[in-house]
Amino acid sequence: EAGVTQSPTHLIKTRGQQATLRCSPISGHTSVYWYQQALGLGLQFLLWYDEGEERNRGNFPPRFSGRQFPNYSSELNVNALELEDSALYLCASTRGEGGPQETQYFGPGTRLLVL
Amino acid sequence: GESVGLHLPTLSVQEGDNSIINCAYSNSASDYFIWYKQESGKGPQFIIDIRSNMDKRQGQRVTVLLNKTVKHLSLQIAATQPGDSAVYFCAENITGRRALTFGSGTRLQVQP
Repeated sequence: EAGVTQSPTHLIKTRGQQATLRCSPISGHTSVYWYQQALGLGLQFLLWYDEGEERNRGNFPPRFSGRQFPNYSSELNVNALELEDSALYLCASTRGEGGPQETQYFGPGTRLLVL
Repeated sequence: GESVGLHLPTLSVQEGDNSIINCAYSNSASDYFIWYKQESGKGPQFIIDIRSNMDKRQGQRVTVLLNKTVKHLSLQIAATQPGDSAVYFCAENITGRRALTFGSGTRLQVQP
């Protein structure tokens, strides 16, 4: 069974541009979580989607947004990129039955570099 | 959650020794805790979890201890192997809250 996949693996943008990151959950999983991991830091919760709806949002500005598609894949959009947005963006999926306390399966991440 | 900047705490152990990785959590209302392992270039991987009605839980070669009095969580790895080298994160949650809060991580280096 395939794990969580993310694309692209690396993304280089300049300040002010927009970035789109994609995540495909494990087959049968309906919940997708997005995290930001800046260099040397822990994971900061960004967004949680379940059954196509946004369930929760972390303490990030509105230029971080996303959506979940009918096939449960998800997209994270970051507008007006700033240098400090450079980070590893991780996606995790769950079956969607237990909220955040359900085991989250992570993808390998997308490394975003903003120049 | 808290952060320690660019320099992760590092624990260096000899292969075959036992490792103990510690985590202090901040919210006394947290009732669920989880440990993740993140190898270089990979996403975090679930290791073990524990609920606040327990003070110890064992897995394969790993044990998690929870001390609610001092808000402390530890991960013990028995007979540490080179493949255990990674960054280890603890995370906490309060039932009903809609997100995990992650700690900043500890790097485990296993010397052959």
